[in-house]
Amino acid sequence: DAGITQSPRHKVTETGTPVTLRCHQTENHRYMYWYRQDPGHGLRLIHYSYGVKDTDKGEVSDGYSVSRSKTEDFLLTLESATSSQTSVYFCAISVYRQETQYFGPGTRLLVL
Amino acid sequence: ELKVEQNPLFLSMQEGKNYTIYCNYSTTSDRLYWYRQDPGKSLESLFVLLSNGAVKQEGRLMASLDTKARLSTLHITAAVHDLSATYFCAVEKGGSEKLVFGKGMKLTVNP
Repeated sequence: DAGITQSPRHKVTETGTPVTLRCHQTENHRYMYWYRQDPGHGLRLIHYSYGVKDTDKGEVSDGYSVSRSKTEDFLLTLESATSSQTSVYFCAISVYRQETQYFGPGTRLLVL
Repeated sequence: ELKVEQNPLFLSMQEGKNYTIYCNYSTTSDRLYWYRQDPGKSLESLFVLLSNGAVKQEGRLMASLDTKARLSTLHITAAVHDLSATYFCAVEKGGSEKLVFGKGMKLTVNP
């Protein structure tokens, strides 16, 4: 295992509520990523971070924000959850951008 | 815009058979990654291909990269049931830290 945990692992919430997902790594890797996985779409990058307080948008960043105040934690926030954000969310880490990314166990989010 | 296409998206094959699956991408990149995902699980890294002509092999799987053709292949030799999974290729978007994934190929290997 690459020492990645995600919390919560499952969450049910209502439309309009804020939701924060946490990714925690024990490897001290520089790069961290948030993806969502939906049937028929593969994985799509939401946001990524290349260091503490350094983040950038991915291809599906609308409606999401991120923060990284410590190397080991990368938070994904849905400011006001919508049903279209029902998905499986994966966090990933890499020590160097040309190395493979190691994925966390995923968080299943259902927005009612 | 970088697009990554995998084909086929579904494959059912018999144990012992060989098959090649394809990953095409639309813009120049030297970095391509293959992952495996079992149902309900996370993604597991299989191969990292970082240059034209790169070939990697692990067990019954062999991956190659042709950056001029913008094509990677994943060849399966003498398939076994344990290879049943969904396989994703991902391409690095032009010198960035961003990966673009294909939609995945669901492989079922039947006894």
